[in-house]
Amino acid sequence: ETGVTQSPTHLIKTRGQQVTLRCSSQSGHNTVSWYQQALGQGPQFIFQYYREEENGRGNFPPRFSGLQFPNYSSELNVNALELDDSALYLCASSADGLQYYGYTFGSGTRLTVV
Amino acid sequence: AQSVTQLDSQVPVFEEAPVELRCNYSSSVSVYLFWYVQYPNQGLQLLLKYLSGSTLVKSINGFEAEFNKSQTSFHLRKPSVHISDTAEYFCAVSGPIPNYGGATNKLIFGTGTLLAVQP
Repeated sequence: ETGVTQSPTHLIKTRGQQVTLRCSSQSGHNTVSWYQQALGQGPQFIFQYYREEENGRGNFPPRFSGLQFPNYSSELNVNALELDDSALYLCASSADGLQYYGYTFGSGTRLTVV
Repeated sequence: AQSVTQLDSQVPVFEEAPVELRCNYSSSVSVYLFWYVQYPNQGLQLLLKYLSGSTLVKSINGFEAEFNKSQTSFHLRKPSVHISDTAEYFCAVSGPIPNYGGATNKLIFGTGTLLAVQP
């Protein structure tokens, strides 16, 4: 059973650019959530996708957008990057109806905006 | 709205000593509580969870946490720590996502506690 994989592991972008982060969910999981973890902070919920539809969103601006594909993999897109977007971005997957049992997290993508 | 407070940003402890990492939560709905561990340059790993039933929950590597509803706490304990336990520990509560009818949930995390085990 494979876990959650994220790519790339590290990324450096310039302010104003756009970035796409990718996530492959754990086998059998159809729900994907994205979290932003700033340095020294706990993860903050960005949004969640279930069967290719966004079914939950946190307090993040619209320039944070996402997609989920038929194979339940997912992308996080961030437009017009700002310095404060520098963070570890974590993807988490869960099976249908089992969110309460704990999500499986990937190792994250470290984004640095300069 | 749900929230989680981890008052200790760092807890230094000597190897083989006991440790307690404190977590307090605020919630107006049924509570599901989690402890996650994050090793350097890695993602989060689920350590243990409380959903219902027995208020004392245990992990396979010797950690345990007790749900205390009256004190709104979910402290993490281990009777004897090892060097390999050095990591960041996050307490989290599962809460509904506003404006989504309560049908979906998100994790609300505390700011984390760094457990630094010294030889």
